[in-house]
Amino acid sequence: DQQVKQNSPSLSVQEGRISILNCDYTNSMFDYFLWYKKYPAEGPTFLISISSIKDKNEDGRFTVFLNKSAKHLSLHIVPSQPGDSAVYFCAEGAEAGGTSYGKLTFGQGTILTVHP
Amino acid sequence: ETGVTQTPRHLVMGMTNKKSLKCEQHLGHNAMYWYKQSAKKPLELMFVYNFKEQTENNSVPSRFSPECPNSSHLFLHLHTLQPEDSALYLCASSLYSGGRWNEQFFGPGTRLTVL
Repeated sequence: DQQVKQNSPSLSVQEGRISILNCDYTNSMFDYFLWYKKYPAEGPTFLISISSIKDKNEDGRFTVFLNKSAKHLSLHIVPSQPGDSAVYFCAEGAEAGGTSYGKLTFGQGTILTVHP
Repeated sequence: ETGVTQTPRHLVMGMTNKKSLKCEQHLGHNAMYWYKQSAKKPLELMFVYNFKEQTENNSVPSRFSPECPNSSHLFLHLHTLQPEDSALYLCASSLYSGGRWNEQFFGPGTRLTVL
């Protein structure tokens, strides 16, 4: 059973509008949530993260929202640009030390296409 | 420049071949990871090395053998693979500091095809 789910395999948005990417998780032990972006023929690139003690984190055009009661994570991109077209992965992990060794569990990804 | 390099970028091998994938990180990180990405599947964690010690083997078949000679280098030795092992193999590294794990940085991956 997949612990991290991105239920939308793809999303198409017009340039300048908002892109909203969603992610649901099942394991309440996660305390650290991340979004990665991946272009073809490249490895994933870290975008933004949020700790479970927060419900929002902002970095330029990218904002991540965390709803712990719903076990839901979302990434908002405003305004969307054609260069944002890529696969977006959410990931969850345990931030603190101990035996987690920084392991991350990834969702299956959402393909975002931003049209000019 | 991500700071994590992988070679080769593409590899085609037969089922009886032996080959190795190499990963190097230039970021001063203390943990390194191997992931497998198959088509339309999430990234699957294969191995974790923390301070050169293998701390995780995520039920990976023995035909995949990792090696971490130091905290900057990670290898994945391949032997007697199956066609279903064809995938993108990604290496990543991260830093543990101040009592917390930071984000992982990924290499570009090796696209492996097993004939």
